[in-house]
This record gives sequence, structure tokens and C-alpha cells, in this order.
Amino acid sequence: KAGVTQTPRYLIKTRGQQVTLSCSPISGHRSVSWYQQTPGQGLQFLFEYFSETQRNKGNFPGRFSGRQFSNSRSEMNVSTLELGDSALYLCASSTRTSGSTDTQYFGPGTRLTVL
Amino acid sequence: EDQVTQSPEALRLQEGESSSLNCSYTVSGLRGLFWYRQDPGKGPEFLFTLYSAGEEKEKERLKATLTKKESFLHITAPKPEDSATYLCAVQGYSGAGSYQLTFGKGTKLSVIP
Repeated sequence: KAGVTQTPRYLIKTRGQQVTLSCSPISGHRSVSWYQQTPGQGLQFLFEYFSETQRNKGNFPGRFSGRQFSNSRSEMNVSTLELGDSALYLCASSTRTSGSTDTQYFGPGTRLTVL
Repeated sequence: EDQVTQSPEALRLQEGESSSLNCSYTVSGLRGLFWYRQDPGKGPEFLFTLYSAGEEKEKERLKATLTKKESFLHITAPKPEDSATYLCAVQGYSGAGSYQLTFGKGTKLSVIP
């Protein structure tokens, strides 16, 4: 079974630009969560999408947004990039079975560098 | 707010020298506690899920245990290939339908031949 895939793997942008990252979940998984990982803050939750709807959101500014398509693929967008947005952006997918504990499986990440 | 604290931040072991990593947590209703392994430049790789105090799970040289306030990842006779950052995360009942993970900052393990 193929794992979670993320594209692109590496991105270099300049301040003020915007960027779109893509995530394809494991086949059959309908939930996609996004996390930001930096050396100082560790892994921080951005948001979760399930059945094309945002279900939960972390404490990030509105410049960070996302969406999910009918095939469960998800995109994350960051507008007006700042130097502090440089990070590894990780996508995780899960089955999100109601009432049960939900194991999330991570992709390899997209390394974003903002200059 | 859910919180996870991992210790030590870094650990150097000789090959074959067993040790334990600690993960202490506070969560409003534990749905599950997760251990992941992360290699440099890669995404976290799932290791274990623990659901309730007293539970234990094993995989090769790793054994994870859970109490009401903390979890331990025991590494028996480690090998250099066990070198990685080990991440602990909790999933709590933090809101209606919420499934987010709260992560600790990890323990960076180095196993020296």
C-alpha cells in the first residue's frame, strides 16, 4: 500500500510570495492533517480536513489555509510569506473512524525556505 | 490545553547499552498516546499506540509502556541504526470531533558503535 505523498519536496520562496503544497493520503484514508515542524517549536498542528471540510484548526494566522478535494487529496496554502514560515511542512492521513483512536501516518514533508 | 514533555532532549548510548526515554503528559481525556521515530529530513514513522494505563507494546528492541501521567520507551541493546529522534504525541478529547495530535519536542538518540 502506497504511503502518504507530498509535493514538492523542496521549495524556495521570497518574502511576500505565496505557496501551495500538496498531499495525497493513503488510499482509503479520508482525514488529512497538516503540521509545521521547526527546530524551536517542534511539531505544531495547523489544521485537519475530513470529507472536504475543515474539522479543527491550530493557532496559526489566517495566512495559512487549506482545502480538501473529493478524492481526499489536500492542499495547503501560505500567503504573504514571512521568514519565520521556513519549516518542514508535514501532512498526515488517517481513517478517522468515529469513536476510536486514530493513528496518523505521515508523509516525507515539504521543506520550505523563505528568503 | 494538552501538553507533552519529553526527556532527555538528547541521549548518547554505546551499542548494547539499554536505556529509557520519558514522555510526561497532561491531557483532557486521553484518546491515545503515540510514539514515532523520525530520521533527519524525513517524516515521522509510526511505532506504537497506547490507549490506557498499564498497557505495554513491543517491537524488536523497543518497548513502550503507559501510566496515567507518563509513558516510557525502553530500548534494549540498541544498535547504531536505532539512532533517530523519538517523538511522543497525545490525542485528547480537546473538542467535538477533534483528532489533533500534540507533540513533545522529541529525544534525539545517538547510538555509538
